[in-house]
Amino acid sequence: GAVVSQHPSRVICKSGTSVKIECRSLDFQATTMFWYRQFPKQSLMLMATSNEGSKATYEQGVEKDKFLINHASLTLSTLTVTSAHPEDSSFYICSAPRQGAVYGYTFGSGTRLTVV
Amino acid sequence: QQQVKQSPQSLIVQKGGISIINCAYENTAFDYFPWYQQFPGKGPALLIAIRPDVSEKKEGRFTISFNKSAKQFSLHIMDSQPGDSATYFCAAQGSARQLTFGSGTQLTVLP
Repeated sequence: GAVVSQHPSRVICKSGTSVKIECRSLDFQATTMFWYRQFPKQSLMLMATSNEGSKATYEQGVEKDKFLINHASLTLSTLTVTSAHPEDSSFYICSAPRQGAVYGYTFGSGTRLTVV
Repeated sequence: QQQVKQSPQSLIVQKGGISIINCAYENTAFDYFPWYQQFPGKGPALLIAIRPDVSEKKEGRFTISFNKSAKQFSLHIMDSQPGDSATYFCAAQGSARQLTFGSGTQLTVLP
C-alpha cells in the first residue's frame, strides 16, 4: 500500500518549453506532497510543499513562477517547469506522507528531465 | 546550514563484510530518523527507521544504532551483498514533517 505513481519517468524538452510532472497517490489520499530536486551524485533538496486546495510553500531560492505546483485533488499533485532551460535539467522526485501517519513517507520513482 | 551530516561519501566493501554509514544531526527537535536506499534513476525507498527513545533497531541484515546524547546515528549492513550496492541517505524529521537528508553515501559491494 501507500504507492505514489510519478510520470513521466524521463522527459527531454527543448529550451523555452514547459514540462509537467504528475504524482498520483494510488491507494491513499495525499493531503500534502513534497517536491524534491536531485542533481547527479547529490542529495535531495526540498523545493516546495503542496497542500491540497491551497497555495504551495516554496523553499528559499526556488522560483515559484518557474516551478508551478498544483495540488487540486487529494490524489494528484503536479509540478510544471515553465520556460525550461538546460540548468533545470535534474531528477525531480515527489513524496507524500502516508495517510494517517505522523512519520514515514512514500516517494515517487522520479522524473529525469533533460532540457536541450 | 546542513543539519544532517553524513559520512563517508563513498564506501567499498567486500561481499560478506559489514558496511557502516554514520550520520550526525544538530537539531534536537528531530524525532524520527529514517534511512533510505536509492538505486540509479529511482526514487528513494525506506530501508529502516528509528525513534530517539530506542538505542538500536534491527531488521534483517540492517541495524540502526542511535546515540541521543551524541546526536549521532548509524546504519550497519551485515553480510553485505552486491545487490546492496546503491546510494544510502540518512534523514531526520521533526514536527514540521519535512525530511532533512544527509549528503548520501555511495556503497559498492564487491563480489
